[in-house]
Amino acid sequence: QSALTQPPSASGSPGQSVTISCTGTSSDVGGYNYVSWYQQHPGKAPKLMIYEVTKRPSGVPDRFSGSKSGNTASLTVSGLQAEDEADYYCSSYAGSNNLVFGTGTKVTVL
Amino acid sequence: EVQLVESGGGLVQPGGSLKLSCAASGFNFSVSAIHWVRQASGKGLEWVGRIRSKANSYVTAYAASVKGRFTISRDDSKNTAYLQMNSLKSEDTALYYCTRLRATGYMDVWGKGTTVTVSS
Repeated sequence: QSALTQPPSASGSPGQSVTISCTGTSSDVGGYNYVSWYQQHPGKAPKLMIYEVTKRPSGVPDRFSGSKSGNTASLTVSGLQAEDEADYYCSSYAGSNNLVFGTGTKVTVL
Repeated sequence: EVQLVESGGGLVQPGGSLKLSCAASGFNFSVSAIHWVRQASGKGLEWVGRIRSKANSYVTAYAASVKGRFTISRDDSKNTAYLQMNSLKSEDTALYYCTRLRATGYMDVWGKGTTVTVSS
């Protein structure tokens, strides 16, 4: 199972929006509405930000939103804030109860 | 409080073995699927494997990179999952997390991780 493809980096100024893509195949991203996104600050464990493509867990700001088209999922962070600077990983169910992660994207707030 | 706490990491020589533990509290561990995820320093997340619940026959699955060397088990009476790692290689050096997987494929609870270093 190959890792999902994400851009290595993305950036934006405070208040702007940034969108991160996550490209897989019809066997993972395209085949199921089970894409999730995780935020990871340095030295910390990943934190769930989006699940089932578009849903936000309780406590996650509505500045974070998810979508999917075909084999590509996306995470958009609107109204960027300094605390949004982190690494972001997508993940998708890949059949047979297996999972695959994305390569990760470092978001920088300029 | 819902939490997972990993332990058992350390320094081990290539070819050696190590057993990690993942202690759960604050939720119904026995009905939960537990996954292990690792992260080498400065690298991305890598799925290692998982164990399903008793209701799902404790079925396990592993990443190709560890299959045949790693074994995941659980003791529901102790609310603890385990990752037995044998024939360790330098490329197994990483921070190992355990995490709870929900039915629709997302991980909502993560431990803080335990570090495994494979080196002579």
